[in-house]
Amino acid sequence: QITLKESGPTLVKPTQTLTLTCTFSGFSLSTSGVGVGWIRQPPGKALEWLALIYWDDDKRYSPSLKSRLTITKDTSKNQVVLTMTNMDPVDTATYYCAHTIVGALGDAFDIWGQGTMVTVSS
Amino acid sequence: EIVMTQSPATLSVSPGERATLSCRASQSVSSNLAWYQQKPGQAPRLLIYGASTRATGIPARFSGSGSGTEFTLTISSLQSEDFAVYYCQQYNNWPPKLTFGGGTKVEIK
Repeated sequence: QITLKESGPTLVKPTQTLTLTCTFSGFSLSTSGVGVGWIRQPPGKALEWLALIYWDDDKRYSPSLKSRLTITKDTSKNQVVLTMTNMDPVDTATYYCAHTIVGALGDAFDIWGQGTMVTVSS
Repeated sequence: EIVMTQSPATLSVSPGERATLSCRASQSVSSNLAWYQQKPGQAPRLLIYGASTRATGIPARFSGSGSGTEFTLTISSLQSEDFAVYYCQQYNNWPPKLTFGGGTKVEIK
């Protein structure tokens, strides 16, 4: 059974850097084709894809946020970390991590974490 | 950037009726389209990928169709648990970006 869980601060101040961790089980990020992505959702709004990292350490970012994002993986700990710099109140959202398998699913996300709400406020 | 437009924004349907949701891409995404269901306070759930393939455990009343720029999600007979927000997502514009539509809320009529 695949599970993912996001963790990190619930409140950050403007201009600070946000660091979120996705801890997963039931799969390995060293298995060919596997990827983990980050998606966010501001309150009452639509989903927005942020970043994706693959088993081979290939990394992809949303062009509009690329300069602020870094995604890394720790295969031994079954974790994916997303950092976002220069946080702003408009970044207030629920942040999700999710699993995908290139080829089998394309880049559709079949299993999602429960999400973690991050508020940006001074 | 490919823009995904969903219509209508809100769909009022009676239980047992058929619901048809639309998703339009600003340029062709081939069949690289997924549909998700999201209920309040919950994470999205994958329903359909590859435009028409049901994900594991998804009931047969959910079906997807289309290719290129026009896609449809059909719920053949709405159950009480189907009232939710539905999102489409393209993954053809790759790299560099995956994009979601703005969502369609299916509410009880």
